[in-house]
Amino acid sequence: DIQLTQSPSFLSASVGDRVTITCRASQGISSSLAWYQQKPGKAPKLLIYAASTLESGVPSRFSGNGSGTEFTLTISSLQPEDFATYYCLELNSYPLTFGQGTKLEIK
Amino acid sequence: EVQLSESGGGLVQPGGSLRLSCAASGFTFDSHAMSWVRQAPGRGLEWVSSVNNNDGSTYHADSVKGRFTISRDNSKSTLYLQMNSLRAEDTAIYYCARQLPWGFDSWGQGILVTVSS
Repeated sequence: DIQLTQSPSFLSASVGDRVTITCRASQGISSSLAWYQQKPGKAPKLLIYAASTLESGVPSRFSGNGSGTEFTLTISSLQPEDFATYYCLELNSYPLTFGQGTKLEIK
Repeated sequence: EVQLSESGGGLVQPGGSLRLSCAASGFTFDSHAMSWVRQAPGRGLEWVSSVNNNDGSTYHADSVKGRFTISRDNSKSTLYLQMNSLRAEDTAIYYCARQLPWGFDSWGQGILVTVSS
């Protein structure tokens, strides 16, 4: 089974900051990775799929990069509504695996 | 507009059973794989089960294999999760999600399952 290691687990940042979250896979998964944003009490929201493709309607300040075993999610200029928890998900093969999450908090 | 609505959750004793349903609308249900994802209180997301749209193949996480069964009724545009031999660690919000090859693009609002005596 593929393991995903997401880092950092917690991130404190200010409005306007640029932040990057990393997701490392235990074996190569090509570009079969998605990123999600989840706010308290809400279902997750798809942000990025196929490692770098922006989901329709998602602001362009979000971007994804990587392939193989190392992936990143970057938010170029944090907005107040971006403070949430972020998860990566690998879809290379079953069982599907989520990263453990990164909680992005306001500094 | 894609809509997914879960039902059937609640409080159940350890060892008991529960069946979750997810009513789908706004898209061609039988053209898409479907999945269940859960989230224990204060914890991260965990994939539970998936079912293909074409051949009906099913997949389950090791943590639920042999206890949970995913199924679908395309004539009713409904997804199910039969949960048997429930344990305290199955307590979670259960989400149904539409599964595309590249991710879960639409989610229900979630339904709480609590396993406790």
